[in-house]
Amino acid sequence: AQTVTQSQPEMSVQEAETVTLSCTYDTSESDYYLFWYKQPPSRQMILVIRQEAYKQQNATENRFSVNFQKAAKSFSLKISDSQLGDAAMYFCAYSPPGAQKLVFGQGTRLTINP
Amino acid sequence: SAVISQKPSRDICQRGTSLTIQCQVDSQVTMMFWYRQQPGQSLTLIATANQGSEATYESGFVIDKFPISRPNLTFSTLTVSNMSPEDSSIYLCSGFGNTEAFFGQGTRLTVV
Repeated sequence: AQTVTQSQPEMSVQEAETVTLSCTYDTSESDYYLFWYKQPPSRQMILVIRQEAYKQQNATENRFSVNFQKAAKSFSLKISDSQLGDAAMYFCAYSPPGAQKLVFGQGTRLTINP
Repeated sequence: SAVISQKPSRDICQRGTSLTIQCQVDSQVTMMFWYRQQPGQSLTLIATANQGSEATYESGFVIDKFPISRPNLTFSTLTVSNMSPEDSSIYLCSGFGNTEAFFGQGTRLTVV
């Protein structure tokens, strides 16, 4: 069975600094999707960034980028120039293509210090 | 991506009663998913809802406790039956667009 592990229950960073959230996963599939979702106190799940496993290039969305290491099954999220609005729970998630359902990691609570 | 309207956003229910949660999508989706998020925890998949067939439940979840309806490609309901305080959680519905999942706003359920 596929599993996703986030080893950092909590992280904090100073505003404007850079922070990296870790995620590892386990799968025997060769093609799949990986995601980072953000959940603020409003409970709404918001997509931060997506990576297709067949793409070697790391995905980037403005201040958010990933370090995707397929052989190591690692998928970390880097947030640059952290802003107060980035404070939230961040979930790493895995989905095999066609399945559409997601397997989530345990989450990392990110605090931004002004 | 598509938008899901989920209702109710929160409710406080007496033990032994049932609550039905509704999700309406603004476009057609083949599969919808129901997740449970217990306090301070991650999301766990309850079941996959397909139109025209019975929902597929994950290990640890049964139809008698969490009956699901999927009458068309834009709508689904989840019922939490015979509730106990252990059912107090956030329940979220989800669909999948071209390349990513999108979620309803969640229902915060408290059972007293």
